[in-house]
Amino acid sequence: SQTIHQWPATLVQPVGSPLSLECTVEGTSNPNLYWYRQAAGRGLQLLFYSVGIGQISSEVPQNLSASRPQDRQFILSSKKLLLSDSGFYLCASREGLDLGAFFGQGTRLTVV
Amino acid sequence: SQQGEEDPQALSIQEGENATMNCSYKTSINNLQWYRQNSGRGLVHLILIRSNEREKHSGRLRVTLDTSKKSSSLLITASRAADTASYFCATVLTGANSKLTFGKGITLSVRP
Repeated sequence: SQTIHQWPATLVQPVGSPLSLECTVEGTSNPNLYWYRQAAGRGLQLLFYSVGIGQISSEVPQNLSASRPQDRQFILSSKKLLLSDSGFYLCASREGLDLGAFFGQGTRLTVV
Repeated sequence: SQQGEEDPQALSIQEGENATMNCSYKTSINNLQWYRQNSGRGLVHLILIRSNEREKHSGRLRVTLDTSKKSSSLLITASRAADTASYFCATVLTGANSKLTFGKGITLSVRP
C-alpha cells in the first residue's frame, strides 16, 4: 500500500508571507495526486489534481498554485498568504479509477 | 463544487446499534467511495462501489448504490465507540476519471 508524507503538521504564517507545502508518495508510481483544503468542521474542497509530471488541473481560482516536479512529489504554494488561506490541507494519492485514495496526515495552516 | 451530499449531518447512536448514513449525488458516476476521518487526521478509505454494482460488504460495513436515484447508503452494523468519526462519500464522475470529489461529511458519535 501507499504511504503519503506531508509536512509540516502545523504551520503559523503571517499574512503576505509565502507558502510551500510538500507531499511525497511511497509505494506507487504514476499516481493521480490531489490537494484538498478542509475548513473547520467542513467537507473537503478539491484545490488541485495532477495525472502526471507537470500536469496540474486547478479546481478553484484562488491565491494558491501547485506543481508536480517529480512523479511522486506534489507541492502546494502561495506567493502571498491571505487570512482566508487558513485551513487543514490534505494531500492524497490514487493509483487507478476503481481504487480508493490514500491520504497524508495533513497540515494545519493558520495565517495570522 | 461538491458532488456528494451526505445526510444526516450528524448522527448519535448507542453502542451496538446500527448506523445508516446516506449520500446523494448529481451526475453520472464511475464509482462512489466512502471514507472515514478521525478528528484532525487524514482520511481512510473504507469501501468503493462501482456504478454497475448495487451492494457491497466489508466486515461490518454494507454499502448500497441506487443509480436511478443517484444515492448511496453506508450501514455500519453493531457500532462501537471506536466508530466515532466523520464519514465522507466521494465520487468519480463519468468522463472525469481523475477527479475525486467529496461531500461535506457526517459526524457519527457512538455512545458507550
